[in-house]
Amino acid sequence: AAGVIQSPRHLIKEKRETATLKCYPIPRHDTVYWYQQGPGQDPQFLISFYEKMQSDKGSIPDRFSAQQFSDYHSELNMSSLELGDSALYFCASSLLVRKDTQYFGPGTRLTVL
Amino acid sequence: QKEVEQDPGPLSVPEGAIVSLNCTYSNSAFQYFMWYRQYSRKGPELLMYTYSSGNKEDGRFTAQVDKSSKYISLFIRDSQPSDSATYLCAMSWDTGFQKLVFGTGTRLLVSP
Repeated sequence: AAGVIQSPRHLIKEKRETATLKCYPIPRHDTVYWYQQGPGQDPQFLISFYEKMQSDKGSIPDRFSAQQFSDYHSELNMSSLELGDSALYFCASSLLVRKDTQYFGPGTRLTVL
Repeated sequence: QKEVEQDPGPLSVPEGAIVSLNCTYSNSAFQYFMWYRQYSRKGPELLMYTYSSGNKEDGRFTAQVDKSSKYISLFIRDSQPSDSATYLCAMSWDTGFQKLVFGTGTRLLVSP
């Protein structure tokens, strides 16, 4: 079965640079979520989209923005990167009517030097 | 204080043992309860999901929810070395968009 695809899988950036993470949800899933997982921590919700509209917002810094496109893929844009942004970034997708099943992608490991 | 509490472990058991993993939570509005398995540097893999209280069984895995106690459990029977991973409980609400609130995860080590 198709899974959530994320790219790139690894990304190394310098402080104050910009990064763009991409997520391709499971086909026919209408909701996309972004989570950030720091070392040894649980995933923290950043932002979500339903049918290409932002549906909820969590602890996402103002330096970050995201959007969902007409083909349902989503991008997380991160500017003025800081050392503390180094983390695993996960995208998850689901069908809104199935509130109990979010499927996660393999994640993008971002390292800020 | 976190909304969802989970013992980080590690929990070490011999192969074949029954494993009990638990989470407690403080928000009585949570209605959906999930268990994810996460291998090192991989994405969380959905194992079990339940709505409200009750039990659910899937193969070697059983999930229990006790809303009156705000306590959920995952039992793994006949544990295998391949079960060694971090197990994350996650919860969400019945209304709105279902962002997940995670526990910190319990690291499980099953030795041959």
